[in-house]
Amino acid sequence: IAGITQAPTSQILAAGRRMTLRCTQDMRHNAMYWYRQDLGLGLRLIHYSNTAGTTGKGEVPDGYSVSRANTDDFPLTLASAVPSQTSVYFCASSAAGGDNQPQHFGDGTRLSIL
Amino acid sequence: AQSVAQPEDQVNVAEGNPLTVKCTYSVSGNPYLFWYVQYPNRGLQFLLKYITGDNLVKGSYGFEAEFNKSQTSFHLKKPSALVSDSALYFCAVPFLYNFNKFYFGSGTKLNVKP
Repeated sequence: IAGITQAPTSQILAAGRRMTLRCTQDMRHNAMYWYRQDLGLGLRLIHYSNTAGTTGKGEVPDGYSVSRANTDDFPLTLASAVPSQTSVYFCASSAAGGDNQPQHFGDGTRLSIL
Repeated sequence: AQSVAQPEDQVNVAEGNPLTVKCTYSVSGNPYLFWYVQYPNRGLQFLLKYITGDNLVKGSYGFEAEFNKSQTSFHLKKPSALVSDSALYFCAVPFLYNFNKFYFGSGTKLNVKP
């Protein structure tokens, strides 16, 4: 079934450790996104990529980095994890085209920083 | 700046009764508005969108939404609720000048009781 695959599904991590969340899509969508979801705050955009080779900052980019080496993969890296980064992380993609295409979401990575 | 607000954290409705989940918006220019649904431990799924045209937009799973420009609202509705409609609902609006990025509301938890 076509869609977005995120890995791992959950992780407990010690503060200060480096962590990369993986995201792969097989829909050949140009645009990809990383969000974090926290209770009462909805989804907040961390980073995005309109096409392979380009990335941009969202609302809450500090402490996170991304890369987009190809169309399918969009990993999110926490260089040195802190407890405030405990959250559920969602990767999404859309067929970019400027006409408001809906986003397709993965099932999330539940990350706990201790 | 583009934004949406969901004034109710939770909505309770009996199965078979009509349901409404509220969303108000604040945008520059023409409003493009979206509704998504999130089931437990899953990513968001697109329900419907308003771009232009009829004020009543029909979407997936029997849901519809009414765009009201004078009240700057985009409420989600369904004539007869099902227990399986119980989920978290988000309205969203694209960033200004970058329609591939979205602001999401804080979410409304819909509880449908048998």
